[in-house]
Amino acid sequence: GQQLNQSPQSMFIQEGEDVSMNCTSSSIFNTWLWYKQDPGEGPVLLIALYKAGELTSNGRLTAQFGITRKDSFLNISASIPSDVGIYFCAGQLSSDKLIFGTGTRLQVFP
Amino acid sequence: SQTIHQWPATLVQPVGSPLSLECTVEGTSNPNLYWYRQAAGRGLQLLFYSVGIGQISSEVPQNLSASRPQDRQFILSSKKLLLSDSGFYLCAWSVLQNYGYTFGSGTRLTVV
Repeated sequence: GQQLNQSPQSMFIQEGEDVSMNCTSSSIFNTWLWYKQDPGEGPVLLIALYKAGELTSNGRLTAQFGITRKDSFLNISASIPSDVGIYFCAGQLSSDKLIFGTGTRLQVFP
Repeated sequence: SQTIHQWPATLVQPVGSPLSLECTVEGTSNPNLYWYRQAAGRGLQLLFYSVGIGQISSEVPQNLSASRPQDRQFILSSKKLLLSDSGFYLCAWSVLQNYGYTFGSGTRLTVV
C-alpha cells in the first residue's frame, strides 16, 4: 500500500539533544498527524495538524503542517530516555483513510 | 470515554493452524475499524478496514480474512497460518474524518 517518505529512518542521539524528523508526499493532505509507538505497544497520537502552515506544540514536541500541504516535520527538544520509540507521520484525506510514513526509530543514550 | 480492547497480547501458533484475533471498541457507535500488520518494528501495513457491520474492504491479497459481526467488534482470521503471517497485529478505530485513528495495544503473533 501507499506510504509516505519519512526521514531519517533511524536516529541515535544523546540525552539532551534536539531531534528533527520529517515526512514528504507527492499528494496533498487535509490533516497531518504524528504518532509515537513504544516497544511492544500500539501507536499513540502525539500531535494533529489541520491547516497548512499550522505550527503546534505539545510539551517538548513541535510539529508543522507544510505550506504546500505535502509535508510535515516533528521536532523534539531536549530529548530524554523515554522518547525512545518509533515515530510515524500520517496524512489524512477527506475519505478518512490514513496514509502512514515508514517510521523513524529513535534511540536516546544517557 | 472510548476504549479499544485487543486480545490476546501474544500468541504462538504452529504452521497450518487456524487464527482468530478479536478487537472490540467501547464508548462509541458506528466506528470505522482497521486491522494493521507491522513486521519486525517496521512500518504499518493496512490489511482490512470496515465502515459498518458486514462491510469489509481488503487492502492486500493474503492468507487472512476479516469479519465484523457486530458494530463494535472486528475479527481477524485465518484458516491455515503461514510462517509469513508472523508479526505484530494492530486494531484501530476512528469516528470522525481528520481526527486520526486510535490504536489498540496489539497482538504479537509468532507462527512456528
